Amino acid sequence: RKEVEQDPGPFNVPEGATVAFNCTYSNSASQSFFWYRQDCRKEPKLLMSVYSSGNEDGRFTAQLNRASQYISLLIRDSKLSDSATYLCVVNRGRTLPYILTGGGNKLTFGTGTQLKVEL
Amino acid sequence: DAGVTQSPTHLIKTRGQQVTLRCSPISGHKSVSWYQQVLGQGPQFIFQYYEKEERGRGNFPDRFSARQFPNYSSELNVNALLLGDSALYLCASSGPGTGQHTPNTGELFFGEGSRLTVL
Repeated sequence: RKEVEQDPGPFNVPEGATVAFNCTYSNSASQSFFWYRQDCRKEPKLLMSVYSSGNEDGRFTAQLNRASQYISLLIRDSKLSDSATYLCVVNRGRTLPYILTGGGNKLTFGTGTQLKVEL
Repeated sequence: DAGVTQSPTHLIKTRGQQVTLRCSPISGHKSVSWYQQVLGQGPQFIFQYYEKEERGRGNFPDRFSARQFPNYSSELNVNALLLGDSALYLCASSGPGTGQHTPNTGELFFGEGSRLTVL
């Protein structure tokens, strides 16, 4: 079983639609969770961190369920510019300040879910 | 405010050759991580360096090696290249920074990558 699993898609949705991605992780000791976005042939960039209490950033909402070991990302009112691959990322290292002192900043990436928003 | 820079951006090698990839982190960042991304997959962790010491190693053969210099830049070396080493090699930096590159629990800032093709 992969450490981080995602549906690769592609998800083809019309502009304005709401789309949700799920991701599961196998290591219950995982400490922190993120969604990264990667445009075609570009580097990954942090989209948002995922907190146990859930967090929202504009049209994007991330949720974490530690009991079931899954993470979700909801995108509302999809835009053409949202077309990209969304990478679910899990960090088994400890949280700040341990990470910043180099103690275990090892991120495990999922395969990514491809989203295509169409007119 | 310069981001993570990598060189070369593209290179072609033949089987059995050796390659050296270079990375300069964001100013003030002391941690550098290397990732390999094969087409259609998420990035896979290779190494993390902090303060010139190896702090983490992924599941890669000994043909892969790296080092970090006193100015925190880093090199990734791959010997005896195989066809399967063809990939995008991503360097990422993390840690206390300045300006827009402030830390966010485990956030990595990626360079644009070095695309290696092995023939």
